[in-house]
Order: sequence, then structure tokens, then C-alpha cells
Amino acid sequence: SYVLTQPPSVSVAPGKTARISCGGDNVGGKSVHWYQQKPGQAPVLVIYYDGDRPSGIPERFSGSSFGNTATLTISRVEAGDEADYFCQVWDSSSDHPYVFGTGTKVTVL
Amino acid sequence: QVQLVESGGGLVEPGGSLSLSCAASGFTFGDYYMNWIRQAPGKGLEWVSHISDSGKTIYYGDSVKGRFTISRDNAKNSLYLHMNSLRAEDTALYYCARDGGSDTQYAMDVWGQGTTVTVSS
Repeated sequence: SYVLTQPPSVSVAPGKTARISCGGDNVGGKSVHWYQQKPGQAPVLVIYYDGDRPSGIPERFSGSSFGNTATLTISRVEAGDEADYFCQVWDSSSDHPYVFGTGTKVTVL
Repeated sequence: QVQLVESGGGLVEPGGSLSLSCAASGFTFGDYYMNWIRQAPGKGLEWVSHISDSGKTIYYGDSVKGRFTISRDNAKNSLYLHMNSLRAEDTALYYCARDGGSDTQYAMDVWGQGTTVTVSS
């Protein structure tokens, strides 16, 4: 089955840039989505289709995907960005079309 | 506003059954694919099952295939998950989520708050 690997944790100072990777075989050839989950809350979609933002998501959140790695970038990090982040792909060729990454805890120092 | 509300969770013994429901409001439910996703305590997200807008196409994750059944009633704006032969490892918070379809390349753009299932004797 398809596997998406994320670093368990990323630490970043306020005002700096956080980059979260999501590794998978030819992930650049699939549609990659990113979710933010704060403690005790449901996940929220922050990036879809590699780099598009739903309405209401700040421009500080951006995404890219190429080859075997997709990346979520959070610019000018704020304390409120501290959360778990999950990548997810949709694989139209599979009967298990939805796969989530292992998740990354972002800590704002 | 667009909303999903799950219900039906609870404590069940191993080998038992439980049915979850998800009530949708604020959008045309029958136009959207839907999914169930679960999250074990302290763990990541695990996709459980998918159902197309018409209900004709259904997928399951390997860990639940043959034990769980997803269904929907578009007239009642509701999604269901019937769970049989429950195991301790099925203990999790179960979310229903709307699939944005081709507009979002099948991202889950609306989530409920979840309902907790605990499997224990």
C-alpha cells in the first residue's frame, strides 16, 4: 500500500519559516492536500491540489510538490500555527484512494 | 452554515456492533462524495471508508474491509457507518468528512467534530 512519510516534529521561532515534508513514491504525480489539527479540534483543510488555499486560509500557508516530496511552507510563523499537520493524497488508480501521512507536530518556540 | 454532526459512538465489547451517523446541513448533501476517517488516541488520521454521491461506488481501508459497511440516505442528508466484529484497535474518534470532489481534487473540505468509539470489555 502507498505510504506517506512526514517528520514527527518541526520547531520554528515566531516570524520564521516552517517547512514540513511529505515523502512518497512519485507524490509529485498525485494531488496532495494538507490539514491542520489543533488539540481537541477536528482537522482543517489548509492546502489542496498541491498549492491551492481554501477561502479563509492565510497566504502565509503555501504548498508545492515535485518528484518524491511534497512540502507545506508556513511563512512568518505565529503562535497560533502550533498544531499537527497531515498530508494526504488521492490516488485515482487505487481502490484505497485516500492515504494520510504520518503527521508532523509543529512547535512554535 | 455548512455542518456535519456525528453521533452514535459509545462503549462496546470486543466482537460487538455499533452504528454511527453523520447529519449534514448547509449544503446539497447528494452532490458530494463522503468519507469516514478515524483517529486512535494520540495517533494520526486513518481513512476508513468512502462512498460516492449516488452510493454506487464504495471503498474501504484494509483494516475494516469485511467488517464495516458505509451507506447514505440522500433524502435524509445522512451518512452512516455500521461496524461489526469490533476490536480493541477500532477504538478511535470517528470523523465524517465531505469530499470536495473534482473542485478540490478530492480533498476533504468539511469535517465534523467526531464521535468516540471505545471497544473494551
